[in-house]
Amino acid sequence: GAVVSQHPSWVICKSGTSVKIECRSLDFQATTMFWYRQFPKQSLMLMATSNEGSKATYEQGVEKDKFLINHASLTLSTLTVTSAHPEDSSFYICSARKINRAGGYEQYFGPGTRLTVT
Amino acid sequence: GENVEQHPSTLSVQEGDSAVIKCTYSDSASNYFPWYKQELGKRPQLIIDIRSNVGEKKDQRIAVTLNKTAKHFSLHITETQPEDSAVYFCAASIRGGKLIFGQGTELSVKP
Repeated sequence: GAVVSQHPSWVICKSGTSVKIECRSLDFQATTMFWYRQFPKQSLMLMATSNEGSKATYEQGVEKDKFLINHASLTLSTLTVTSAHPEDSSFYICSARKINRAGGYEQYFGPGTRLTVT
Repeated sequence: GENVEQHPSTLSVQEGDSAVIKCTYSDSASNYFPWYKQELGKRPQLIIDIRSNVGEKKDQRIAVTLNKTAKHFSLHITETQPEDSAVYFCAASIRGGKLIFGQGTELSVKP
């Protein structure tokens, strides 16, 4: 397996403020990480693909200026929710892509960050 | 783009019975199909995966089958136990790229 951590595990912020979420691959290097959002009793919706050393690729409908992604190293990607609003309240989960021994790819998820915007 | 449909949305079985969850995908270029188990409030855990060059893969009580022609893949859990209760997600990707998830199946195993 592989270990991916996320910080913080939960955060409460006021409307209009910004929140940064960190995603780290602890025991492997990840040139690619992904950010998902999950609403209660729903599936994981991909927000963006984060590539080390280059700009993130955002999915259709996701505002890149609102959800800032930085992937500055092979083990760290950050998601900043800017000017948060109550509708941004959700469970944010990152995943990191690992290359296995056979040269194939596997994705491992972080524990998620519960964001509540008041 | 890729779309993944998953059925059923809920599944209730008696302990010891088998459970089957089915998914279909739309992009014939998809070649990697993982299954994740997610318990309430926790991260999705990879439980088994299959690649397009294989038709079936088994790991103890869990098996996955893939029909590339029909673009179907299924998760089979035998001898279910209460601790198998969770939400299961299928996903598909092309060459290790982004995963597109199915809608999820809430499995309940009754003792």
